[in-house]
Amino acid sequence: EIVLTQSPGTLSLSPGERATLSCRASQSVRNYLAWYQQKPGQAPRLLISGASSRATGIPDRFSGSGSGTDFTLTISRLEPEDFAVYYCQQYGSLPRTFGQGTKVAIK
Amino acid sequence: EVQLLESGGGLVQPGGSLRLSCAASGFTFSNDWMTWLRQAPGKGLEWVANLNQGGSEKYFLDSVKGRFTISRDNAKNSLYLQMSSLRVEDTAVYYCARDFKGAFDSWGQGTLVTVSS
Repeated sequence: EIVLTQSPGTLSLSPGERATLSCRASQSVRNYLAWYQQKPGQAPRLLISGASSRATGIPDRFSGSGSGTDFTLTISRLEPEDFAVYYCQQYGSLPRTFGQGTKVAIK
Repeated sequence: EVQLLESGGGLVQPGGSLRLSCAASGFTFSNDWMTWLRQAPGKGLEWVANLNQGGSEKYFLDSVKGRFTISRDNAKNSLYLQMSSLRVEDTAVYYCARDFKGAFDSWGQGTLVTVSS
């Protein structure tokens, strides 16, 4: 099973600031990496697949990069609606696995 | 617009059974792999099982193998998860999702399964 480790656990930032979230895989997943946003009481929403391809309707302030074992989700300028928990997920092999999440909190 | 609506959750005793359903609309259901995922209260996301378009190829999380079954009825645009021998640790919100080449591009709102005596 591929283990995904996200860092930091919590990121405290102000609106307008840049957020950089990390996801590290225990072995290569090539570019089979997705990012999701989840707000309290809601289902997750797909942001990025293929490590860097934005899903339909996702604003361009969200960007993904990386391949192999190291990946990054960047939010260029935080909007109030971006404060949420973010998960990475690998689909390079079964079982599909998720990171433990990074909470982006208002500072 | 893609819509997924889960139902069938509830309170069940350890060792009991439950069947979850997911009604799909807004896309050609028979063209896509489908997946069940879950999220224990206050915890992260966990993939549970997935199923191919025709229902012939399926995969399960090790901890649910032999206890959970996944199936679909393409004529009814519906996905199912039959859960038996339920354990306290199966308590979670269960989501169905459309499988987009391994990522999950559409999710239902979830249904809560509570396993408790």
